Amino acid sequence: QKEVEQDPGPLSVPEGAIVSLNCTYSNSAFQYFMWYRQYSRKGPELLMYTYSSGNKEDGRFTAQVDKSSKYISLFIRDSQPSDSATYLCAMRGQGGKLIFGQGTELSVKP
Amino acid sequence: ETGVTQTPRHLVMGMTNKKSLKCEQHLGHNAMYWYKQSAKKPLELMFVYNFKEQTENNSVPSRFSPECPNSSHLFLHLHTLQPEDSALYLCASSQGRGPGEQYFGPGTRLTVT
Repeated sequence: QKEVEQDPGPLSVPEGAIVSLNCTYSNSAFQYFMWYRQYSRKGPELLMYTYSSGNKEDGRFTAQVDKSSKYISLFIRDSQPSDSATYLCAMRGQGGKLIFGQGTELSVKP
Repeated sequence: ETGVTQTPRHLVMGMTNKKSLKCEQHLGHNAMYWYKQSAKKPLELMFVYNFKEQTENNSVPSRFSPECPNSSHLFLHLHTLQPEDSALYLCASSQGRGPGEQYFGPGTRLTVT
């Protein structure tokens, strides 16, 4: 079983839609959870960073962590064509290495 | 720009060639990383350096040889690679090895022929 599971997509939505991206994980020691966005031919850039369970909001983006279910989500409201990218979840425990999901390819159509 | 640069951006090499990838970070970080990104697969951590000392080698074949002369520069020396080594090689840096954020460079797209 992979430590982190992420649906690779591709996911295609119309402009303005609410997008939900998800990852599940198996290691209960994970405490730090991140979402990276990677545009084509670029390196990943950190989008959201959360510690332990709960929600974090930044503009149109909301990250949710449910440690009891070992499930994290990234919601994008009012999605824009510029949001088209691959979204990577990543997580780690205290002092551990960063473990990435496979990435979900998102396309937002005008 | 993320403050992490990588050169070259694209590299095509034969299996008998020797080449090097370069990474430079301008963020004052003290930890640097090499990752391999293959299509449809998660990022694979290859090497970690903290204050110029290698702290992690993730069972990487010896045909990949890292070098970290100082906290700002990281190299990946390549020799006798295989076609399956073709991938995007990403460099990242962070402030310490704690849970802080890692900042990535744009990557080097490597093709082994």
